[in-house]
Amino acid sequence: NAGVTQTPKFQVLKTGQSMTLQCAQDMNHEYMSWYRQDPGMGLRLIHYSVGAGITDQGEVPNGYNVSRSTTEDFPLRLLSAAPSQTSVYFCASSYSAGGNTDTQYFGPGTRLTVL
Amino acid sequence: AQSVTQLGSHVSVSEGALVLLRCNYSSSVPPYLFWYVQYPNQGLQLLLKYTSAATLVKGINGFEAEFKKSETSFHLTKPSAHMSDAAEYFCAVRGWNQGGKLIFGQGTELSVKP
Repeated sequence: NAGVTQTPKFQVLKTGQSMTLQCAQDMNHEYMSWYRQDPGMGLRLIHYSVGAGITDQGEVPNGYNVSRSTTEDFPLRLLSAAPSQTSVYFCASSYSAGGNTDTQYFGPGTRLTVL
Repeated sequence: AQSVTQLGSHVSVSEGALVLLRCNYSSSVPPYLFWYVQYPNQGLQLLLKYTSAATLVKGINGFEAEFKKSETSFHLTKPSAHMSDAAEYFCAVRGWNQGGKLIFGQGTELSVKP
């Protein structure tokens, strides 16, 4: 299994540009999430999905869109990039709603800079 | 609402010394608690997790953590630090049936001096 994969690894955007961060998992996990990591703030949840066709907002959803048409893929769209969206973005997946044995697995991250 | 506080953004220890990273949580429901480690320029790797089966949890690389409900704490320890332990450590919490919704602390960067 490749686990959770993210592309691209690095991206530089200009203010106002749009782009999509890709995330895929091959573990047949129902739950997928997007987090952003900023210095001194840990990771904060942007959006998450509990299955294909179902998404919901996390702690910091403004400026981001998601959709989930398949179990495997969960892309994150930046509609109009702003310097405040400069961050490292992590995608994660887990098998189910979170029983005793459930664990989130993280991708390697995408480092985004908005100029 | 749930929250996590990690005390100390930077901790420095000597090689061979005890590692203690502090984590306190707030949760209105029985929590599931996690420690993740992040090496430079990498993603997060699970060290250990508490899921109510046992209060003392052993993880990978010699780390362990003890869940103390009375103190709302889940501190991470390792008896003897190794240079390879230098990394950033994150404590996280979620409630039951809250898959995909981890709440993270601010992180603690661990430095290990030779």
